[in-house]
Amino acid sequence: DGGITQSPKYLFRKEGQNVTLSCEQNLNHDAMYWYRQDPGQGLRLIYYSQIVNDFQKGDIAEGYSVSREKKESFPLTVTSAQKNPTAFYLCASSIAGISEQFFGPGTRLTVL
Amino acid sequence: KNEVEQSPQNLTAQEGEFITINCSYSVGISALHWLQQHPGGGIVSLFMLSSGKKKHGRLIATINIQEKHSSLHITASHPRDSAVYICAVPYGGSQGNLIFGKGTKLSVKP
Repeated sequence: DGGITQSPKYLFRKEGQNVTLSCEQNLNHDAMYWYRQDPGQGLRLIYYSQIVNDFQKGDIAEGYSVSREKKESFPLTVTSAQKNPTAFYLCASSIAGISEQFFGPGTRLTVL
Repeated sequence: KNEVEQSPQNLTAQEGEFITINCSYSVGISALHWLQQHPGGGIVSLFMLSSGKKKHGRLIATINIQEKHSSLHITASHPRDSAVYICAVPYGGSQGNLIFGKGTKLSVKP
């Protein structure tokens, strides 16, 4: 089955620790995205990548880092510099230049 | 950058009712998206439309490009329609990146 997977679904970390969220897609999409969702707010773009080995900051990139070494994978690291990391994180992918995006199931990160 | 406004924020309906959710945006677009987010968090794309109307089962999406407005209608609503419905449009000048409304939380009571 083609799709996007994110793991784990729930993640707990202590304050001050870096944590990496996984996102894998087998749709052969060039573009991949990371969003953050907070209660009562729309999805906000953290980082996006239109092609392997290239990525761009979104609206709220501070405290986050990404890599895009393979077309299928776009991991997100939430660093200790992120002031309020507890949130729901969604990964998406699309054909480059096309606005229709396909979403993963999300990871709910809680920092204790 | 485009701005997206959705209304209402919350909507409670009785099973069988006709539902309308509205979306307005500020900058001309090439396409508008309606998405559905279930309580578990996963998001699925319902419609992508650039003009007129699209229908899929009990769901109908319309767009008025001149008025920069779109509506999502659900006919004969059912409790399984309970979800958050999200409108999204491309960033001004960008085809790939999207900006999202805050969503409309729909609850359909049996």
